[in-house]
Amino acid sequence: DTEVTQTPKHLVMGMTNKKSLKCEQHMGHRAMYWYKQKAKKPPELMFVYSYEKLSINESVPSRFSPECPNSSLLNLHLHALQPEDSALYLCASSQLVAGANVLTFGAGSRLTVL
Amino acid sequence: DQQVKQNSPSLSVQEGRISILNCDYTNSMFDYFLWYKKYPAEGPTFLISISSIKDKNEDGRFTVFLNKSAKHLSLHIVPSQPGDSAVYFCAASARNAGNMLTFGGGTRLMVKP
Repeated sequence: DTEVTQTPKHLVMGMTNKKSLKCEQHMGHRAMYWYKQKAKKPPELMFVYSYEKLSINESVPSRFSPECPNSSLLNLHLHALQPEDSALYLCASSQLVAGANVLTFGAGSRLTVL
Repeated sequence: DQQVKQNSPSLSVQEGRISILNCDYTNSMFDYFLWYKKYPAEGPTFLISISSIKDKNEDGRFTVFLNKSAKHLSLHIVPSQPGDSAVYFCAASARNAGNMLTFGGGTRLMVKP
């Protein structure tokens, strides 16, 4: 299995809703990531988990709450989001390949906040 | 401060010809460079990487060239195929920064049949 699976593919939520994005990988990668991507922009790093511990939080607002229940799963809990949070949310996991930190991305969850 | 820049937002090439995508960087501590391809509604897919101690790496139709003195790298696709039409992101990482990837802004490649 060489995939990162993200659910749901699409999510529409109101500003008072609570929802979660889920990500799963079975490649044995010990680093997992959440990225946010807006149209015509590069992916923007949000969080990094290394060995199931949060190692990087790129000053993300607390309305985004990551969780890593085990080495294969990564969640992103969403609460009280703003319309400007509408974006493609990408999960990734990584391994070193000949020294390079190669990320494998999921297909993303397209989030629309009304 | 953009440490990785792709100055061409788009590139159009005829099928069968060479596509050359360019990337410039400012951080001399970067020690690995990677190229990713992204189709609409999909996540980026890893294509090829190069270590800063090399100047060329080749994988099938894809070759990456690195010019450290100019802080410039390029991805060559030969021959280009319509299925190569996608957005290409250049990325760089530094061991002393935890190997986190810094992405360029992307170049949209259109290969015309």
